[in-house]
Amino acid sequence: DVKVTQSSRYLVKRTGEKVFLECVQDMDHENMFWYRQDPGLGLRLIYFSYDVKMKEKGDIPEGYSVSREKKERFSLILESASTNQTSMYLCASSSTGAEAFFGQGTRLTVV
Amino acid sequence: TQLLEQSPQFLSIQEGENLTVYCNSSSVFSSLQWYRQEPGEGPVLLVTVVTGGEVKKLKRLTFQFGDARKDSSLHITAAQPGDTGLYLCAELTSGTYKYIFGTGTRLKVLA
Repeated sequence: DVKVTQSSRYLVKRTGEKVFLECVQDMDHENMFWYRQDPGLGLRLIYFSYDVKMKEKGDIPEGYSVSREKKERFSLILESASTNQTSMYLCASSSTGAEAFFGQGTRLTVV
Repeated sequence: TQLLEQSPQFLSIQEGENLTVYCNSSSVFSSLQWYRQEPGEGPVLLVTVVTGGEVKKLKRLTFQFGDARKDSSLHITAAQPGDTGLYLCAELTSGTYKYIFGTGTRLKVLA
């Protein structure tokens, strides 16, 4: 069974903390994505990667960075968490031109 | 950035009713995907449409791609409580690797 696994389902962090969200896929996909999902706004793309060590900004990259050192792992980093980054974060992977497979999401609360 | 508008934003209906949700774009789609997201889960692909005028059926779900490839609809016949979820349309943007998602339609089917 194909899988995208996000390291945490729920996370509570303090303002100013550095936060790491981890995502691992077992499908040997070249593309990986980080989205955030907020009510009424749908899924908004933060960053994506089409190869190891490659990354491109999505629509809302401010306040975030990413790391892809291995093909199967894509990490999202909040350098200094703020309350407006409280959201559901979804990781996805795909083979180019095919469907996107999503993880179960991480609900992050910044207090 | 391409904008995908979905309507209605919310829909609450009784079991057995029919419904249609819509996805519209500000420009021509290269291809369009429909996903369903159940509470606490990531989105899961339902269908991909590519050709203008295309109609695809998945049991009680009928997907239509507009002739001009700027709009799509999802029709559910005799809705069941198991159809409850968030329905998202998405475009795989031509020449890139990324998916742009619509704002979503949240459907609740009451038993």
